[in-house]
Amino acid sequence: DIQMTQSPSSLSASVGDRVTITCRASQGISNYLAWFRQKPGKAPKSLIYGASSLRSGVPSKFSGSGSGTDFTLTISSLQPEDIATYYCQQYSSYPYTFGQGTKLEIK
Amino acid sequence: QVQLQESGPGLVKPSETLSLTCTVSGGSISDYYWSWVRQPPGKGLEWIGYKHYSGRTNYNPSLKSRVTISVDTSKNQFSLKLSSVTAADTAVYYCAREREAMAYDYWGQGTLVTVSS
Repeated sequence: DIQMTQSPSSLSASVGDRVTITCRASQGISNYLAWFRQKPGKAPKSLIYGASSLRSGVPSKFSGSGSGTDFTLTISSLQPEDIATYYCQQYSSYPYTFGQGTKLEIK
Repeated sequence: QVQLQESGPGLVKPSETLSLTCTVSGGSISDYYWSWVRQPPGKGLEWIGYKHYSGRTNYNPSLKSRVTISVDTSKNQFSLKLSSVTAADTAVYYCAREREAMAYDYWGQGTLVTVSS
């Protein structure tokens, strides 16, 4: 199975900060990488697929980059509504696997 | 707007079969991959498997011997059956829709299933 490792596991930042979360795959996955966020008690919300393609309706302050084994999710200007846990997921090969999550908090 | 909603018993006895249904509204059940993902309390996400409306399936090898996912196009629903459950199967179960090469675009709210006598 492909292991997905996110860093950091938790992150505290101020409103307006630029925030970056990293995801590393244990082997190359081309660009078959998705990002989504989850607020407590809520359904996960898909943000990005194909490493850098923004889902319809997702604000442009979210962006993704990377290919192969190293990927990043960037939030250009952190707002209180962005507080959530963010996950990466590879869908290059089965079984699909997920990162352990990055919990984002406001400082 | 597409919505997915899980339903089923919140408590299942050990050795019995866990059965959940996901009802899809606002869109057709055709032409997508219909998936289940679970998250044990305090742990990470685990992919269970999918069934394509055409009939093609793929399951996580760690669960393959116990899992069945089926699709009912007449009801716009798909379901999960997990047999011989143990406490290790206690988790929040999510249903999700996957588009070809585009990963999951819609998720259900999730439903907690506890395995206990």
